[in-house]
Amino acid sequence: AQSVTQLDSQVPVFEEAPVELRCNYSSSVSVYLFWYVQYPNQGLQLLLKYLSGSTLVKGINGFEAEFNKSQTSFHLRKPSVHISDTAEYFCAVSEGGTYKYIFGTGTRLKVLA
Amino acid sequence: NAGVTQTPKFRVLKTGQSMTLLCAQDMNHEYMYWYRQDPGMGLRLIHYSVGEGTTAKGEVPDGYNVSRLKKQNFLLGLESAAPSQTSVYFCASSGLPTGELFFGEGSRLTVL
Repeated sequence: AQSVTQLDSQVPVFEEAPVELRCNYSSSVSVYLFWYVQYPNQGLQLLLKYLSGSTLVKGINGFEAEFNKSQTSFHLRKPSVHISDTAEYFCAVSEGGTYKYIFGTGTRLKVLA
Repeated sequence: NAGVTQTPKFRVLKTGQSMTLLCAQDMNHEYMYWYRQDPGMGLRLIHYSVGEGTTAKGEVPDGYNVSRLKKQNFLLGLESAAPSQTSVYFCASSGLPTGELFFGEGSRLTVL
């Protein structure tokens, strides 16, 4: 069965510093991978997704992620964070051909001034 | 364009009471989902639907029932609420099996 692991529950980082949020998944078949962001008291919105093709995916707000099949990872990066990036970030996976999206436990990014 | 709308947004129940959460989407999406969000546990899939008249169990279906009588609506029911069902519930929809999920703003349920 597919699963998603986000090892870091909280990541504090200073404004304008780079950040990487880690995501690892387990699946025996091809997968589709997603990162969502949740601002306080709101629903989730899509940051970026990997379905196929180039392993480096660019999303909104300057975020990008790289799909690494051999390491079964899909880490999220941003070269310079802003206060407004403070939010919770969720990695999600969907096995190819299924309709179920499984989410990780989330990483709370706190950007410090 | 409303997107995905959940009602009610807040509800307090006593143990044993029943209630229904309504999710409505106006994007003509085939796929709809109910998740619950609990601290430290992320989002867990309760039930989902791949089209009108269909439903399927997710990771944590026990204690919940769902119905998809109309394409635009997906109802989540609690027949006999328990304190363990205190959570924030999110509905989502998607137009494709591997496409973007569109989320509602959530429904906060407290069971005393």
